Amino acid sequence: DAGVTQSPTHLIKTRGQQVTLRCSPKSGHDTVSWYQQALGQGPQFIFQYYEEEERQRGNFPDRFSGHQFPNYSSELNVNALLLGDSALYLCASSLETNQITGELFFGEGSRLTVL
Amino acid sequence: GQSLEQPSEVTAVEGAIVQINCTYQTSGFYGLSWYQQHDGGAPTFLSYNGLDGLEETGRFSSFLSRSDSYGYLLLQELQMKDSASYFCAVRDPTGFQKLVFGTGTRLLVSP
Repeated sequence: DAGVTQSPTHLIKTRGQQVTLRCSPKSGHDTVSWYQQALGQGPQFIFQYYEEEERQRGNFPDRFSGHQFPNYSSELNVNALLLGDSALYLCASSLETNQITGELFFGEGSRLTVL
Repeated sequence: GQSLEQPSEVTAVEGAIVQINCTYQTSGFYGLSWYQQHDGGAPTFLSYNGLDGLEETGRFSSFLSRSDSYGYLLLQELQMKDSASYFCAVRDPTGFQKLVFGTGTRLLVSP
């Protein structure tokens, strides 16, 4: 049973460029959340997708956008990259019916470096 | 908003017991979760406390006191592989799906 998979694992971009990160949720999971984790910090919620719609959003600018596909996989897009966008981007999947315990299954993340 | 505070670093030796504390401030509360993250790895779910008291899962236990807005993670019989960062997290009351994480505690286990 494959867990959450993310691609690419590492990437380097320059300021002003755009990036797309991809995530396949754990088998059977229908909800995908994206988190940004700066070095030495806890993950910060970007947004969550369920039934192909953005259900909730954290305090991130519109440069951050996403999408969920019918097979529940998801993409995170960041436009007009800034140096401060350098971070580990984590995808987490869960079951809609198991939101109470807060049990999320995370991928190992995509490490983005903006130069 | 919500905020969670944890010690930045804790050190211990193999075989010892260590407690990682978490204090939180939130306008609504839906339970406290704990996650473990090894360097370069994915955060993994350890435990959840929705009610006051102690939850035990093998060598790990987690405690919650809602009246004190406080919880802790207790790790017993420490092993080298327990060296990792540990995060407490609460669910944001404005939206059921959003987890707010603490700043994290780096645990260093030495021989």
